[in-house]
Amino acid sequence: GENVGLHLPTLSVQEGDNSIINCAYSNSASDYFIWYKQESGKGPQFIIDIRSNMDKRQGQRVTVLLNKTVKHLSLQIAATQPGDSAVYFCAENIMGQNFVFGPGTRLSVLP
Amino acid sequence: GAVVSQHPSWVICKSGTSVKIECRSLDFQATTMFWYRQFPKQSLMLMATSNEGSKATYEQGVEKDKFLINHASLTLSTLTVTSAHPEDSSFYICSASAQGASSPLHFGNGTRLTVT
Repeated sequence: GENVGLHLPTLSVQEGDNSIINCAYSNSASDYFIWYKQESGKGPQFIIDIRSNMDKRQGQRVTVLLNKTVKHLSLQIAATQPGDSAVYFCAENIMGQNFVFGPGTRLSVLP
Repeated sequence: GAVVSQHPSWVICKSGTSVKIECRSLDFQATTMFWYRQFPKQSLMLMATSNEGSKATYEQGVEKDKFLINHASLTLSTLTVTSAHPEDSSFYICSASAQGASSPLHFGNGTRLTVT
């Protein structure tokens, strides 16, 4: 059921600054990772993905870093804009099994 | 490409009634679709995997008789919440992969269910 009082970790950044959102994943056998952005009242939107044979991948204004040694994934957003305000989820996948989603981080962009 | 459409976007129903939510893949075929439930300020919880032409696979703790899933075609899966109660109020989201396993999931925009 619903966990009353639970709140998402929040990252507040100034507009124009870079944002770094972190995710610790659970399974060392995970071989595929995705970052999703979810705006209020909407479904998650794909941002960028990375496979375990890589440690870095870049998209438009976004970079994903993968550190398999410590099971850590990060999403870097360059020149953060107000439209980037949302909740960001990492998701891990093991050899085509179901995706497991992280708890999420709320990004708040300050004017 | 890879658009998933979900309908309705919100619904209010009375306790004891049933509600059907539709999930369509608009520009690709999906042999597998996934249904998630999301409580406020929480992550997505997988409820079940919907398989075209066969029975859905439910996650532990999800009542299959309460959350009926039908995947009658390669582009449509439905979730019916039967005999809804207020505790079923939640945000339900479907997803599908256009390229099978180990490829991105594309999500619908969710359905906000409120049971009064």
